[in-house]
Amino acid sequence: GIQVEQSPPDLILQEGANSTLRCNFSDSVNNLQWFHQNPWGQLINLFYIPSGTKQNGRLSATTVATERYSLLYISSSQTTDSGVYFCAVVNSGNTPLVFGKGTRLSVIA
Amino acid sequence: SQTIHQWPATLVQPVGSPLSLECTVEGTSNPNLYWYRQAAGRGLQLLFYSVGIGQISSEVPQNLSASRPQDRQFILSSKKLLLSDSGFYLCAWSAGTLETQYFGPGTRLLVL
Repeated sequence: GIQVEQSPPDLILQEGANSTLRCNFSDSVNNLQWFHQNPWGQLINLFYIPSGTKQNGRLSATTVATERYSLLYISSSQTTDSGVYFCAVVNSGNTPLVFGKGTRLSVIA
Repeated sequence: SQTIHQWPATLVQPVGSPLSLECTVEGTSNPNLYWYRQAAGRGLQLLFYSVGIGQISSEVPQNLSASRPQDRQFILSSKKLLLSDSGFYLCAWSAGTLETQYFGPGTRLLVL
Protein backbone atom coordinates (compact mmCIF):
# COMPACT_ATOMS: atom_id res chain seq x y z
CA GLY A 1 0.00 0.00 0.00
CA ILE A 2 0.86 3.66 -0.15
CA GLN A 3 3.49 4.94 2.29
CA VAL A 4 3.24 8.33 3.99
CA GLU A 5 6.29 9.88 5.62
CA GLN A 6 6.24 13.08 7.63
CA SER A 7 9.16 15.20 8.66
CA PRO A 8 10.46 16.33 11.00
CA PRO A 9 9.09 13.95 13.66
CA ASP A 10 9.53 16.57 16.35
CA LEU A 11 9.87 20.34 16.22
CA ILE A 12 10.34 22.94 18.92
CA LEU A 13 9.69 26.58 18.07
CA GLN A 14 9.88 29.87 19.83
CA GLU A 15 6.60 31.73 19.74
CA GLY A 16 6.45 33.93 16.65
CA ALA A 17 8.67 31.70 14.52
CA ASN A 18 7.66 30.18 11.19
CA SER A 19 7.84 26.51 10.28
CA THR A 20 7.36 24.10 7.40
CA LEU A 21 6.13 20.54 7.86
CA ARG A 22 6.56 18.05 5.06
CA CYS A 23 4.56 15.03 3.92
CA ASN A 24 5.93 12.66 1.29
CA PHE A 25 3.84 9.90 -0.24
CA SER A 26 4.84 6.97 -2.36
CA ASP A 27 2.08 6.91 -4.98
CA SER A 28 -0.51 9.12 -6.64
CA VAL A 29 -3.27 10.38 -4.39
CA ASN A 30 -6.89 11.37 -4.84
CA ASN A 31 -7.31 12.86 -1.39
CA LEU A 32 -4.88 14.52 1.00
CA GLN A 33 -5.76 16.04 4.31
CA TRP A 34 -3.82 17.81 7.06
CA PHE A 35 -5.02 17.47 10.65
CA HIS A 36 -3.99 19.02 13.94
CA GLN A 37 -4.36 16.95 17.11
CA ASN A 38 -4.47 19.24 20.11
CA PRO A 39 -3.11 18.26 23.53
CA TRP A 40 -6.57 16.98 24.53
CA GLY A 41 -6.61 14.53 21.64
CA GLN A 42 -9.13 16.22 19.39
CA LEU A 43 -8.30 15.91 15.69
CA ILE A 44 -9.13 19.04 13.77
CA ASN A 45 -9.26 19.30 10.00
CA LEU A 46 -6.89 21.90 8.64
CA PHE A 47 -6.93 21.38 4.90
CA TYR A 48 -8.36 19.13 2.24
CA ILE A 49 -5.73 19.58 -0.45
CA PRO A 50 -5.07 16.82 -3.02
CA SER A 51 -3.37 19.45 -5.17
CA GLY A 52 -2.66 23.16 -5.28
CA THR A 53 -2.36 25.73 -2.52
CA LYS A 54 -4.75 26.85 0.19
CA GLN A 55 -4.49 29.35 2.99
CA ASN A 56 -6.39 29.76 6.23
CA GLY A 57 -5.13 32.56 8.43
CA ARG A 58 -1.60 31.85 9.58
CA LEU A 59 -1.65 28.38 8.04
CA SER A 60 -1.22 27.45 4.43
CA ALA A 61 -0.65 24.23 2.56
CA THR A 62 0.69 23.25 -0.81
CA THR A 63 0.47 19.86 -2.49
CA VAL A 64 2.57 19.05 -5.54
CA ALA A 65 0.89 15.85 -6.59
CA THR A 66 3.23 15.17 -9.50
CA GLU A 67 6.20 15.19 -7.13
CA ARG A 68 4.34 13.38 -4.36
CA TYR A 69 4.66 15.77 -1.48
CA SER A 70 2.72 18.29 0.52
CA LEU A 71 3.89 21.10 2.76
CA LEU A 72 2.16 22.75 5.69
CA TYR A 73 3.34 26.24 6.58
CA ILE A 74 2.76 27.77 9.98
CA SER A 75 3.60 31.43 10.30
CA SER A 76 3.96 33.50 13.47
CA SER A 77 3.48 30.39 15.58
CA GLN A 78 1.53 30.58 18.84
CA THR A 79 1.51 28.27 21.85
CA THR A 80 -1.95 27.10 20.80
CA ASP A 81 -0.37 25.65 17.64
CA SER A 82 1.29 22.97 19.78
CA GLY A 83 0.22 19.40 19.18
CA VAL A 84 0.70 16.76 16.53
CA TYR A 85 0.17 17.45 12.84
CA PHE A 86 -0.90 14.56 10.65
CA CYS A 87 -0.94 14.17 6.92
CA ALA A 88 -3.29 11.53 5.48
CA VAL A 89 -3.90 10.39 1.92
CA VAL A 90 -6.20 8.25 -0.17
CA ASN A 91 -4.49 6.38 -2.96
CA SER A 92 -7.38 5.19 -5.10
CA GLY A 93 -10.99 4.08 -5.21
CA ASN A 94 -12.62 3.27 -1.93
CA THR A 95 -9.53 2.71 0.18
CA PRO A 96 -9.57 4.62 3.50
CA LEU A 97 -7.21 7.41 4.52
CA VAL A 98 -3.63 6.33 5.24
CA PHE A 99 -2.00 8.44 7.95
CA GLY A 100 1.59 9.44 8.43
CA LYS A 101 3.13 9.17 11.88
CA GLY A 102 2.82 12.88 12.49
CA THR A 103 5.01 15.81 13.44
CA ARG A 104 4.94 16.79 17.10
CA LEU A 105 5.17 20.58 17.40
CA SER A 106 5.91 22.38 20.64
CA VAL A 107 5.70 26.16 20.62
CA ILE A 108 7.26 27.77 23.67
CA ALA A 109 6.60 31.29 24.90
CA SER B 1 -24.40 21.11 10.38
CA GLN B 2 -22.99 17.70 11.07
CA THR B 3 -21.79 16.55 14.47
CA ILE B 4 -20.20 13.35 15.67
CA HIS B 5 -20.54 12.01 19.19
CA GLN B 6 -18.62 9.35 21.06
CA TRP B 7 -19.17 7.87 24.47
CA PRO B 8 -18.01 7.27 26.98
CA ALA B 9 -15.21 9.84 27.08
CA THR B 10 -13.09 7.71 29.39
CA LEU B 11 -13.32 4.11 30.48
CA VAL B 12 -11.35 1.90 32.87
CA GLN B 13 -12.02 -1.80 32.46
CA PRO B 14 -10.50 -4.98 33.89
CA VAL B 15 -8.78 -7.50 31.65
CA GLY B 16 -11.27 -10.01 30.32
CA SER B 17 -14.29 -7.74 30.56
CA PRO B 18 -16.46 -6.84 27.54
CA LEU B 19 -16.35 -3.54 25.72
CA SER B 20 -18.86 -1.44 23.84
CA LEU B 21 -17.99 1.99 22.46
CA GLU B 22 -20.60 3.95 20.57
CA CYS B 23 -20.32 6.57 17.86
CA THR B 24 -23.19 8.47 16.30
CA VAL B 25 -23.30 11.09 13.59
CA GLU B 26 -25.98 13.75 13.20
CA GLY B 27 -26.88 15.93 10.26
CA THR B 28 -25.95 13.63 7.40
CA SER B 29 -27.12 10.40 5.84
CA ASN B 30 -25.28 7.33 4.58
CA PRO B 31 -21.87 8.46 5.85
CA ASN B 32 -18.70 6.41 5.69
CA LEU B 33 -17.77 5.57 9.28
CA TYR B 34 -14.38 4.69 10.71
CA TRP B 35 -12.82 3.42 13.97
CA TYR B 36 -9.20 4.24 14.73
CA ARG B 37 -6.95 3.49 17.68
CA GLN B 38 -4.07 5.63 18.82
CA ALA B 39 -1.92 3.57 21.15
CA ALA B 40 1.47 5.22 21.35
CA GLY B 41 0.52 8.88 21.58
CA ARG B 42 1.12 9.47 17.92
CA GLY B 43 0.12 7.14 15.06
CA LEU B 44 -3.46 6.37 14.11
CA GLN B 45 -4.28 2.77 13.31
CA LEU B 46 -7.42 2.17 11.25
CA LEU B 47 -9.39 -0.67 12.82
CA PHE B 48 -12.67 -0.81 10.88
CA TYR B 49 -14.58 1.17 8.32
CA SER B 50 -18.09 0.98 6.94
CA VAL B 51 -19.62 2.37 3.77
CA GLY B 52 -23.18 1.34 4.68
CA ILE B 53 -25.43 -0.45 7.16
CA GLY B 54 -24.16 -3.94 7.84
CA GLN B 55 -21.04 -3.40 5.72
CA ILE B 56 -17.89 -3.64 7.82
CA SER B 57 -14.31 -3.86 6.61
CA SER B 58 -11.63 -4.93 9.06
CA GLU B 59 -8.16 -3.57 8.62
CA VAL B 60 -6.36 -5.28 11.47
CA PRO B 61 -7.21 -8.74 12.87
CA GLN B 62 -7.61 -8.61 16.64
CA ASN B 63 -10.11 -9.31 19.38
CA LEU B 64 -12.24 -6.30 18.46
CA SER B 65 -15.32 -6.21 16.26
CA ALA B 66 -17.50 -3.48 14.83
CA SER B 67 -21.15 -3.22 13.91
CA ARG B 68 -23.32 -0.67 12.18
CA PRO B 69 -26.88 -1.37 13.27
CA GLN B 70 -28.20 1.96 11.97
CA ASP B 71 -27.14 4.36 9.25
CA ARG B 72 -25.46 6.81 11.60
CA GLN B 73 -24.40 4.52 14.42
CA PHE B 74 -21.11 2.67 14.64
CA ILE B 75 -20.23 0.41 17.56
CA LEU B 76 -16.87 -1.04 18.56
CA SER B 77 -16.99 -4.14 20.73
CA SER B 78 -14.91 -6.77 22.39
CA LYS B 79 -15.95 -9.90 24.27
CA LYS B 80 -12.78 -10.01 26.38
CA LEU B 81 -10.43 -7.06 26.71
CA LEU B 82 -6.66 -7.46 26.71
CA LEU B 83 -4.10 -5.15 28.27
CA SER B 84 -2.97 -4.26 24.76
CA ASP B 85 -6.43 -2.88 23.98
CA SER B 86 -5.68 0.20 26.05
CA GLY B 87 -5.53 3.36 23.99
CA PHE B 88 -7.39 6.28 22.53
CA TYR B 89 -10.25 5.26 20.25
CA LEU B 90 -11.43 7.70 17.64
CA CYS B 91 -14.50 7.52 15.45
CA ALA B 92 -14.67 9.47 12.20
CA TRP B 93 -17.08 10.05 9.35
CA SER B 94 -16.92 11.26 5.79
CA ALA B 95 -19.42 11.75 2.99
CA GLY B 96 -17.27 9.50 0.80
CA THR B 97 -13.76 8.11 0.61
CA LEU B 98 -12.55 11.13 -1.35
CA GLU B 99 -14.28 13.59 0.96
CA THR B 100 -13.04 15.34 4.06
CA GLN B 101 -12.94 13.11 7.13
CA TYR B 102 -14.15 14.45 10.49
CA PHE B 103 -13.27 13.01 13.87
CA GLY B 104 -15.17 12.64 17.11
CA PRO B 105 -13.75 13.61 20.52
CA GLY B 106 -12.48 10.09 21.24
CA THR B 107 -12.67 7.58 24.10
CA ARG B 108 -9.71 6.92 26.35
CA LEU B 109 -9.69 3.25 27.36
CA LEU B 110 -7.47 1.87 30.09
CA VAL B 111 -7.46 -1.88 30.60
CA LEU B 112 -6.05 -2.98 33.95
